[in-house]
Amino acid sequence: AQKVTQAQTEISVVEKEDVTLDCVYETRDTTYYLFWYKQPPSGELVFLIRRNSFDEQNEISGRYSWNFQKSTSSFNFTITASQVVDSAVYFCALSEAGNYGGATNKLIFGTGTLLAVQP
Amino acid sequence: DAMVIQNPRYQVTQFGKPVTLSCSQTLNHNVMYWYQQKSSQAPKLLFHYYDKDFNNEADTPDNFQSRRPNTSFCFLDIRSPGLGDAAMYLCATFLDGSSYNEQFFGPGTRLTVL
Repeated sequence: AQKVTQAQTEISVVEKEDVTLDCVYETRDTTYYLFWYKQPPSGELVFLIRRNSFDEQNEISGRYSWNFQKSTSSFNFTITASQVVDSAVYFCALSEAGNYGGATNKLIFGTGTLLAVQP
Repeated sequence: DAMVIQNPRYQVTQFGKPVTLSCSQTLNHNVMYWYQQKSSQAPKLLFHYYDKDFNNEADTPDNFQSRRPNTSFCFLDIRSPGLGDAAMYLCATFLDGSSYNEQFFGPGTRLTVL
């Protein structure tokens, strides 16, 4: 069965600190996709990144970076020099292989990590 | 520029009074999903449409129904809302065969049941 675990329920940091959000997943599929979404208080899910199972390259986008390690089934997310606007709930999610082809392609979400960045 | 639109953004209904939530998309995606997200929980898939084919999740209560009259629109009907149905309802779309494999989410409808 597919499962996503975000062990950190809440994290509080002071502005400009670096913070890492952990994500561990379980799947029997050899082809799958991993995602991170941000959900601010307004409730909208904001897509941050997608990574397929064959691409273990780490990615950096501005202050955001992601570390994907298949050996440990982890897909961790780091925010460098955090800002108050980063305060939100962050969800890690897993889906089956890309093309629908009868698969549901549904997203399996972790329980989310609430990040509070204090000024 | 809005791609997935949900109306209304906030809905208040009374216990037991049927309510319909609306989702429309300008992306021409063939798959549409409805997720329920209760307070402090992760989104949970209720059902999805692949074109006109309806696919219900095994644990979705019968109280929840859906309609998709055309590619652009999808509705979520709650026949007799209970207090436990108060939640954020998220609509998402997906294009089968796309290379980016990303679901596009709407802003959500926050449902309050009095």
